[in-house]
Amino acid sequence: DADVTQTPRNRITKTGKRIMLECSQTKGHDRMYWYRQDPGLGLRLIYYSFDVKDINKGEISDGYSVSRQAQAKFSLSLESAIPNQTALYFCATGSTGELFFGEGSRLTVL
Amino acid sequence: EDKVVQSPLSLVVHEGDTVTLNCSYEVTNFRSLLWYKQEKKAPTFLFMLTSSGIEKKSGRLSSILDKKELFSILNITATQTGDSAIYLCAVELSGTYKYIFGTGTRLKVLA
Repeated sequence: DADVTQTPRNRITKTGKRIMLECSQTKGHDRMYWYRQDPGLGLRLIYYSFDVKDINKGEISDGYSVSRQAQAKFSLSLESAIPNQTALYFCATGSTGELFFGEGSRLTVL
Repeated sequence: EDKVVQSPLSLVVHEGDTVTLNCSYEVTNFRSLLWYKQEKKAPTFLFMLTSSGIEKKSGRLSSILDKKELFSILNITATQTGDSAIYLCAVELSGTYKYIFGTGTRLKVLA
C-alpha cells in the first residue's frame, strides 16, 4: 500500500459543484500539505497543516478550504468549483526534510 | 516574496550527453534545498542539501549547493532515455516549514 493515498485519482465535475479531495498517510508525519500543479507553473502551495489544530494558508488558498480530521487525514475542498481550478492536485507529508507525495488527483472542471 | 527559479525551462539532449540544471532562490529563512524527479505522476526525491559546497551524489546524478550565491545545480552524466522527466527544485523554509517549488525543468533525452 502507498504511504500517501489520494482519492479520487481522477474527477470531472461541473462549474459550481462542491468537490472534496481526500488524503491519508501511514507515515506518522505531523506535517501535511496540499499543492496544485499547472503546466509551466510548477507546484504551488494551497494549504498546509502541522496538526489537527494548526492550519495555514499557502500562496493560493482563495477558493479552497481544508480539514485536518486526524493526524493521518487531510482533505481539500472546493466549495464551488470553477474551470481555472482544473489542475493536478498533490498531497504531501513530511517530518524533517524530505516531502513524500501522493500519486495526485487530476481534477477537471467543465 | 520568497521565490525559486529554475532554468532552463526545457531541454532536449541525446543519450550520453551531460546536462546541468540550475536552481536559484531568494527566500527569507533558508533551511534546505531539495531536488525531485517527476515522471508520470508523483515527484520522487533525489537529494536534500543543507550545507554549502558539499556535493551529493547518486550514480550518474550529483548536486551541489552554493549558499553564498543562492543557487544549486543538478548534474546528470551519460544521460539515458529513462532520465526524461520534469526536475523540480524546492526550498524548505525554517520556522514555517513551507516548501517553495520552482517551475521545473522538463528534460527530454533522445535515443
